[in-house]
Amino acid sequence: AQTVTQSQPEMSVQEAETVTLSCTYDTSESDYYLFWYKQPPSRQMILVIRQEAYKQQNATENRFSVNFQKAAKSFSLKISDSQLGDAAMYFCAYRSARSRGAQKLVFGQGTRLTINP
Amino acid sequence: DSGVTQTPKHLITATGQRVTLRCSPRSGDLSVYWYQQSLDQGLQFLIHYYNGEERAKGNILERFSAQQFPDLHSELNLSSLELGDSALYFCASSVVSGGSGNTIYFGEGSWLTVV
Repeated sequence: AQTVTQSQPEMSVQEAETVTLSCTYDTSESDYYLFWYKQPPSRQMILVIRQEAYKQQNATENRFSVNFQKAAKSFSLKISDSQLGDAAMYFCAYRSARSRGAQKLVFGQGTRLTINP
Repeated sequence: DSGVTQTPKHLITATGQRVTLRCSPRSGDLSVYWYQQSLDQGLQFLIHYYNGEERAKGNILERFSAQQFPDLHSELNLSSLELGDSALYFCASSVVSGGSGNTIYFGEGSWLTVV
């Protein structure tokens, strides 16, 4: 079974600075997808960014980018120019790319990010 | 707005009771997933339906059941409720259940409090 580990329960950063959230995962599969979801105080789950394992290029979405290291099974999220609205719980998630079987997301425990003004 | 609609948003009920949570997936999405988020268990996958067919079960209790109807909406039924069932229940949907890696979109969740 796949597992996802986020080793940083809490992180904080000054507004306008850069912060990196860590995520590692364990899988025996070669084809899969990785995601970062954001959960603000409203508790809604919002997709931040996704990465296909077969792509070597790291995904980028505006101020959000990832560092995907497939061999190391590492998938970190970098937030540049942090804004107060980035304050939230961030979840790393794994999804198998197999055509049959479980298509569920496997989540890490989450990292609570605080932005200091 | 993700396009996934869940009702009710909040629900308070007594132990031993039964409730039904409803989910309408995004237009065109055939897959529906249910997740439970509690303080001590994190986000737990409960069940996945694709076009009316159950595809996978996770840590879903026998007291819980779900179904997906021909119009693709889904219901999660929780019975003989216990205090420990208090949680935020998410429904999520995606286009297909295949190896295309399409994104799973979440609804706003249904807050269940069992007293």
